[in-house]
Amino acid sequence: QSVLTQPPSVSGAPGQRVTISCTGSSSNIGDNRDVHWYQQFPGSVPKLLIYANNNRPSGVPDRFSASKSGASASLAITGLQADDEADYYCQSYDSVLSYSVFGGGTKLTVL
Amino acid sequence: QVQLLESGPGLVKPSETLSLTCTVSGDSISSFSHSWSWVRQPPGKGLEWIGYIYNSGHTYYKSSLKSRVTLSVDTSKNHFSLKLTSVTAADTAVYYCAREPYCGSGCGNWFDTWGQGTLVTVSA
Repeated sequence: QSVLTQPPSVSGAPGQRVTISCTGSSSNIGDNRDVHWYQQFPGSVPKLLIYANNNRPSGVPDRFSASKSGASASLAITGLQADDEADYYCQSYDSVLSYSVFGGGTKLTVL
Repeated sequence: QVQLLESGPGLVKPSETLSLTCTVSGDSISSFSHSWSWVRQPPGKGLEWIGYIYNSGHTYYKSSLKSRVTLSVDTSKNHFSLKLTSVTAADTAVYYCAREPYCGSGCGNWFDTWGQGTLVTVSA
């Protein structure tokens, strides 16, 4: 059971917009802790997609964006492409556990 | 360009000790600006943070693993290591080393650079 809750799967057609939610609690996201997002293709290394809530590392397309509100965060992908099909993970810091925690991951399927 | 590379045995027997090393290039393991972590991922499952080492000595571990985990650094080789004792099948996972911008105690940042990962299987 992950500390941060993500839907196991989401799907969308090419060109559409999809969002992936990440629900935490008052000891992590709700404690104003930053949220970070990673993209992981099968058999590959997690890649930093968004850091500190809504910042994209160099090279990440602006089709990827994220937001945070209260104890939840969400990742949005617009103009969905076939090669966006991957697993997506959120991460934050939990002030009660005193370490970084991840969501269980969401598998994005492009129909 | 910063690169991390894990190395170590891919098969460990139950009750024995898992030992992995992460060699860092393009950055110093003694850096004050980053901490160095281990993250694992059991087959088909999500990511789990194990612990970090900072400034060549300060360590912090996930509470549920604390009794079995030791992180250490060899500054002469610019690498850091993970030891996990008394392993069971539940410790079977891909183990990643990762770099994190350091933010002090009581906080956590993102992992901006990851190693390629190494699969460790616990089996007799």
